[in-house]
Amino acid sequence: KAGVTQTPRYLIKTRGQQVTLSCSPISGHRSVSWYQQTPGQGLQFLFEYFSETQRNKGNFPGRFSGRQFSNSRSEMNVSTLELGDSALYLCASSKGPSYGYTFGSGTRLTVV
Amino acid sequence: KNEVEQSPQNLTAQEGEFITINCSYSVGISALHWLQQHPGGGIVSLFMLSSGKKKHGRLIATINIQEKHSSLHITASHPRDSAVYICAVRDNAGNNRKLIWGLGTSLAVNP
Repeated sequence: KAGVTQTPRYLIKTRGQQVTLSCSPISGHRSVSWYQQTPGQGLQFLFEYFSETQRNKGNFPGRFSGRQFSNSRSEMNVSTLELGDSALYLCASSKGPSYGYTFGSGTRLTVV
Repeated sequence: KNEVEQSPQNLTAQEGEFITINCSYSVGISALHWLQQHPGGGIVSLFMLSSGKKKHGRLIATINIQEKHSSLHITASHPRDSAVYICAVRDNAGNNRKLIWGLGTSLAVNP
């Protein structure tokens, strides 16, 4: 059974550019959530999608956006990149809010 | 003050020791999760609890809903247990039921 797949694994961008990250959940999982992790900050919740609808949103600026497709795959977009956006971006999938989570390996974004 | 607080923030133990990591929360919850993150980033879900106690191998998780507190215990600790342990709670307020994360406890087990 395939796990949660995040692509790309590593990414280097320059300030001002935009980036799109992808997350393919485990088959049958309809919930996808996104997190940013920086040293010393722990996991910061970005957003959560369930059946193509955004259910929750964390306290991030509007430059961070996401969406979920009908096949439950999700994308996260960051526009006008800043140096502080350098982080590990993790995606987790679940059957729904009452179930456990499976995390992907993450995308490490470096903004230079 | 964070809605989910973990203690201690950092913990160093000798191989074989019994380890306890604590999680306190201030919101009403429908479930609490314990997760493990190894160096390199991979996160593994350990437990999901809504009441009582669960055991898996050398790991035991307990929750006291009235006291809004959960503990993760590791018996006979081993260097491979070295990781960051994260507590997260599913807020039961409203329709969206947000997931709230603690900052993690960094555990180092020395041989």
